[in-house]
Amino acid sequence: GAVVSQHPSRVICKSGTSVKIECRSLDFQATTMFWYRQFPKQSLMLMATSNEGSKATYEQGVEKDKFLINHASLTLSTLTVTSAHPEDSSFYICAHFSGNTIYFGEGSWLTVV
Amino acid sequence: GESVGLHLPTLSVQEGDNSIINCAYSNSASDYFIWYKQESGKGPQFIIDIRSNMDKRQGQRVTVLLNKTVKHLSLQIAATQPGDSAVYFCAENYSGNTPLVFGKGTRLSVIA
Repeated sequence: GAVVSQHPSRVICKSGTSVKIECRSLDFQATTMFWYRQFPKQSLMLMATSNEGSKATYEQGVEKDKFLINHASLTLSTLTVTSAHPEDSSFYICAHFSGNTIYFGEGSWLTVV
Repeated sequence: GESVGLHLPTLSVQEGDNSIINCAYSNSASDYFIWYKQESGKGPQFIIDIRSNMDKRQGQRVTVLLNKTVKHLSLQIAATQPGDSAVYFCAENYSGNTPLVFGKGTRLSVIA
């Protein structure tokens, strides 16, 4: 079955630095990847939809200049949190549709200190 | 916008009892529903799904019921076990390749 590999699983960074999170589709071509964020004790909220070869579509309230999404190939979508702040500390997870099934990456725990 | 919500934020059940977790959705166009389990520190784990042309689907110890008339979804867990303790999310989707919309989540605590 389709597998989405997400890396890193955990990262700690200093405030003001940038962090890149990668999602790779291992055995299928992902034209679309969805990026979610989950704060502690809250639900998963859609941040943006990543489209291969075109600009990502961001949800209302998500800063596109802060959360840079790149989907340059059919097997890789990346989310870069720029100038990270402690309030960006969260669980970030990607997801992809393949057929009629949705596949999630393993998720990335970001802690900004 | 339309959203998926839950009636109960927390649920405590005795080990061996049956659990029922409820979810209300508001988008009448949604045609695909999924229940996820999320354990602490992990990503969501698929439990069971149901499409809008069905009103009931059974898995191993779990049953999902869909009532389109009142836009209600429920997850029933039979003979609840300590390993079932987690946060459960319902999610809805429509029109195929569109993002899932998640409900707020219910924390299930199993009392041994």
